[in-house]
Amino acid sequence: GEDVEQSLFLSVREGDSSVINCTYTDSSSTYLYWYKQEPGAGLQLLTYIFSNMDMKQDQRLTVLLNKKDKHLSLRIADTQTGDSAIYFCAESFHSSGSARQLTFGSGTQLTVLP
Amino acid sequence: SQTIHQWPATLVQPVGSPLSLECTVEGTSNPNLYWYRQAAGRGLQLLFYSVGIGQISSEVPQNLSASRPQDRQFILSSKKLLLSDSGFYLCAWSLLAYEQYFGPGTRLTVT
Repeated sequence: GEDVEQSLFLSVREGDSSVINCTYTDSSSTYLYWYKQEPGAGLQLLTYIFSNMDMKQDQRLTVLLNKKDKHLSLRIADTQTGDSAIYFCAESFHSSGSARQLTFGSGTQLTVLP
Repeated sequence: SQTIHQWPATLVQPVGSPLSLECTVEGTSNPNLYWYRQAAGRGLQLLFYSVGIGQISSEVPQNLSASRPQDRQFILSSKKLLLSDSGFYLCAWSLLAYEQYFGPGTRLTVT
């Protein structure tokens, strides 16, 4: 079955770059996602990448995809205290009709130190 | 623009009591709707999804049920809550695009 793995914790200094890593198992995944969750809140979609892409950049965020190794990473440049949150990696697969199911990793708690 | 609402935001219920959580989406038609549960602030488990009114797919057999009485309304229910039903319940929607957008969540504590 589908499985998505992430390290549980990451600490960085304010102003440094953060790199959050994720591995997945379903080679048929067509989309891979990064979500951000702040304490007590829902999940916010940060970015997603189509599986035929290697890289996607959006302002301070860079997503890298190594399809051969089934490895996805999220780089946050110039990390700020407001970036402290749990970051979830997810892969999608098609279910019935137009619905897509997402399989989530356990999340990486990013702590930004002053 | 589209928005998604969930209520209540928090709920404390005794074991054995019924449950009804509501999710509504504004600004779109015929969305796919999803219920997830997040335990201990971590991984999300898909509980139900719906591609249309009255169409519910269950992913995990359990003490919960879902219904979709209207196009943009998704309800999560239980007849008798268990302690293990405690968690953070998230509703999400999507269209033919590939993103899922999440609501603010409901924190359920079963005592």
